[in-house]
Amino acid sequence: EDKVVQSPLSLVVHEGDTVTLNCSYEVTNFRSLLWYKQEKKAPTFLFMLTSSGIEKKSGRLSSILDKKELSSILNITATQTGDSAIYLCAVEAGGGSNYKLTFGKGTLLTVNP
Amino acid sequence: DAGITQSPRHKVTETGTPVTLRCHQTENHRYMYWYRQDPGHGLRLIHYSYGVKDTDKGEVSDGYSVSRSKTEDFLLTLESATSSQTSVYFCAISESGPTRNTQYFGPGTRLTVL
Repeated sequence: EDKVVQSPLSLVVHEGDTVTLNCSYEVTNFRSLLWYKQEKKAPTFLFMLTSSGIEKKSGRLSSILDKKELSSILNITATQTGDSAIYLCAVEAGGGSNYKLTFGKGTLLTVNP
Repeated sequence: DAGITQSPRHKVTETGTPVTLRCHQTENHRYMYWYRQDPGHGLRLIHYSYGVKDTDKGEVSDGYSVSRSKTEDFLLTLESATSSQTSVYFCAISESGPTRNTQYFGPGTRLTVL
């Protein structure tokens, strides 16, 4: 059974801090890893990573995949209260033409002013 | 935002009644998915579809059925709702090709089974 584990489960920081969220996985036939941000409604896509060691960046958010360690990190620099959300990691694995994601339980980030 | 709507957005029903949730997309994407999200469990896949009339089970499919008679619509049915099916249900879509892994989510349906 494919497994995706995120840590920490929750985190409270002050505005301006830098945070690192972790995602590790145990899957058969890894294909890609995705990060999503979920505020009070639907998850929204942040990054997709397929190649090890290549950083994806969008503003203050960045992510990198380490296939050797079976893990990924999501960094947020100079955090703002608007970054408060649940951050979800998902892994696509398996074969064939069917695309399914296994999600971790998420990290709840709270950024206090 | 991807054109995905879900209906109803909120529903309260009683144990034993049938419930159908609808997901409608205007993106003409091939793949559609139904998830449920519960505290402590994250998002879990119920069923998914890889084309019209082509569906398959996910991780937590017991007690649920789906149908897809048109590209744009994916229905999730609870034949006889139970309290354990109280949850937030999300529909998602993805297209074929290199970005097939990227799923876009609908706004969710909050279902309460009393």
